[in-house]
Amino acid sequence: AQSVTQLGSHVSVSEGALVLLRCNYSSSVPPYLFWYVQYPNQGLQLLLKYTTGATLVKGINGFEAEFKKSETSFHLTKPSAHMSDAAEYFCAVSDRGGGFKTIFGAGTRLFVKA
Amino acid sequence: DAGVIQSPRHEVTEMGQEVTLRCKPISGHDYLFWYRQTMMRGLELLIYFNNNVPIDDSGMPEDRFSAKMPNASFSTLKIQPSEPRDSAVYFCASSLGETQYFGPGTRLLVL
Repeated sequence: AQSVTQLGSHVSVSEGALVLLRCNYSSSVPPYLFWYVQYPNQGLQLLLKYTTGATLVKGINGFEAEFKKSETSFHLTKPSAHMSDAAEYFCAVSDRGGGFKTIFGAGTRLFVKA
Repeated sequence: DAGVIQSPRHEVTEMGQEVTLRCKPISGHDYLFWYRQTMMRGLELLIYFNNNVPIDDSGMPEDRFSAKMPNASFSTLKIQPSEPRDSAVYFCASSLGETQYFGPGTRLLVL
């Protein structure tokens, strides 16, 4: 069975500071890994994903994540936070052969202080 | 493309009433997912379809919930009878591959 653990339900950073959102996963087979972002009163939208190949994945709005198999991690980073980054972020995992059933983490709400 | 379309966007109903939520997936997508989001339980997968066929409904909370996909461009999630604990935001998502595209959600309040 697959699972996702996001460390920290809330993260607060100052504008211009590094953003680091942590995600660990469990999967018995090579996974697909995702980060989705949810702005208030909206649905989730894809930020970035890892499927195969390069383990450092770049996404929209300057975010990137690195797949580390040995650590079963897929942490999300951004060098410099912007006020518009304030949102909820979800890490997710799906099984390549599982019909794309996706398991989402509990989410991390990012606050950006001026 | 218009994206995933959900209706209604907001629904307020009284306990015991039937509620029907609707979803139009992105054209050409062959997977459709229904999720429920609450503060307490986060984002839960209720059911998903592939080519209009239900594949996994293990997340459907109880018999009061049912979902159908009569064709590739339409799906419904029905709650009958509704209860206050069903209050949540219900999302529909569709995909052609591993990336899911979410609709804006239906915010349901059962009084």
